[in-house]
Amino acid sequence: KAGVTQTPRYLIKTRGQQVTLSCSPISGHRSVSWYQQTPGQGLQFLFEYFSETQRNKGNFPGRFSGRQFSNSRSEMNVSTLELGDSALYLCASSLGGGSGDSYEQYFGPGTRLTVT
Amino acid sequence: SQQGEEDPQALSIQEGENATMNCSYKTSINNLQWYRQNSGRGLVHLILIRSNEREKHSGRLRVTLDTSKKSSSLLITASRAADTASYFCATDEETGAQKLVFGQGTRLTINP
Repeated sequence: KAGVTQTPRYLIKTRGQQVTLSCSPISGHRSVSWYQQTPGQGLQFLFEYFSETQRNKGNFPGRFSGRQFSNSRSEMNVSTLELGDSALYLCASSLGGGSGDSYEQYFGPGTRLTVT
Repeated sequence: SQQGEEDPQALSIQEGENATMNCSYKTSINNLQWYRQNSGRGLVHLILIRSNEREKHSGRLRVTLDTSKKSSSLLITASRAADTASYFCATDEETGAQKLVFGQGTRLTINP
């Protein structure tokens, strides 16, 4: 099976702009999670989508949003970019069924966002 | 916020030696996972150990979990240069939530 893919791999934006990142999960995986990785804060959970519904959300401002499509592909959007949004954004997919079990998450290569 | 801490923050050993990394966490968990990351790339899943398990093996990897001490360890035996990477533990606090809380990671360097 093909792995998790993320596009674009690299992105440079200026403050105040908005950006949309895309993630295609492993075929058959219905859960997609997004994480932000920075040198200072490490890996932090942004949100998780399952069957087109946001199931969980991390402690990030409303400028960070996402969605999931019927084919499980997901996008995340960051509006009004700030310098501190510069980070590696990672998406992960898993089988992620209902309550009662836990699943391995498989990560994509990430999108490196630089805000200038 | 970080769930816990990993120890050591950095580890440098000779090829062929064993490497042990430790992870501590703060809250009750359903499972704990270990991941590897090479130079700012995506994370590679290594092992998932559930809260009712005490030890798990996968090839040269051995993971232990002590829920009474809220700690886990990852042992890599017979290390290779290709094992050079950052290793992270991550906990899943809610069953089915698919929300991982990561530690700060251990930077492992294997010297040839």
